Amino acid sequence: EAGVTQFPSHSVIEKGQTVTLRCDPISGHDNLYWYRRVMGKEIKFLLHFVKESKQDESGMPNNRFLAERTGGTYSTLKVQPAELEDSGVYFCASSLLQWPSDTQYFGPGTRLTVL
Amino acid sequence: DQQVKQNSPSLSVQEGRISILNCDYTNSMFDYFLWYKKYPAEGPTFLISISSIKDKNEDGRFTVFLNKSAKHLSLHIVPSQPGDSAVYFCAASDVQGGSEKLVFGKGMKLTVNP
Repeated sequence: EAGVTQFPSHSVIEKGQTVTLRCDPISGHDNLYWYRRVMGKEIKFLLHFVKESKQDESGMPNNRFLAERTGGTYSTLKVQPAELEDSGVYFCASSLLQWPSDTQYFGPGTRLTVL
Repeated sequence: DQQVKQNSPSLSVQEGRISILNCDYTNSMFDYFLWYKKYPAEGPTFLISISSIKDKNEDGRFTVFLNKSAKHLSLHIVPSQPGDSAVYFCAASDVQGGSEKLVFGKGMKLTVNP
């Protein structure tokens, strides 16, 4: 069974540009989560989808971040315009059921560097 | 304000010895805790968990202990192996408004020397 995949693995952009990160969850997983780790800090929750609906987006930093999950399959996270403090590793995770009844499986992450 | 704290950034132990990783939390509403393991360039991988109704959970070489009154948990690895070298994250399950999310600590880098 394929795990959670994320694309790209690395992205380097200039401040003010737009970047779109993609996450493909494990097939059949209705729950999809985005997390972010800024260097040296903890992994922080951004938002949670159940199928195509946003269940919780309380962790989204500001309105420069837009997450979508059309059709309840893959998800995208767009940052527009990017700022220096957006640099970090963005992780996607998926689970079949909601936690703690099921494990969250994480993807390898996308390392975003904003110059 | 950090709700899950891993105060030691790193730990180095000899192969075969015990590794003890500590974690503290501040939110008394947390009732489910997890440890994740992360290798470089990979995502976190679930290792072991514990519910607040228990004080110990064991899975092979890994045991997690929970002290609710002290808001403290620890992960014991025995015997430690070089392949255990990784960053370990302590996390708590936070349930709010019908959604559950993980609240992580900063992580601790474990190095097991052959």
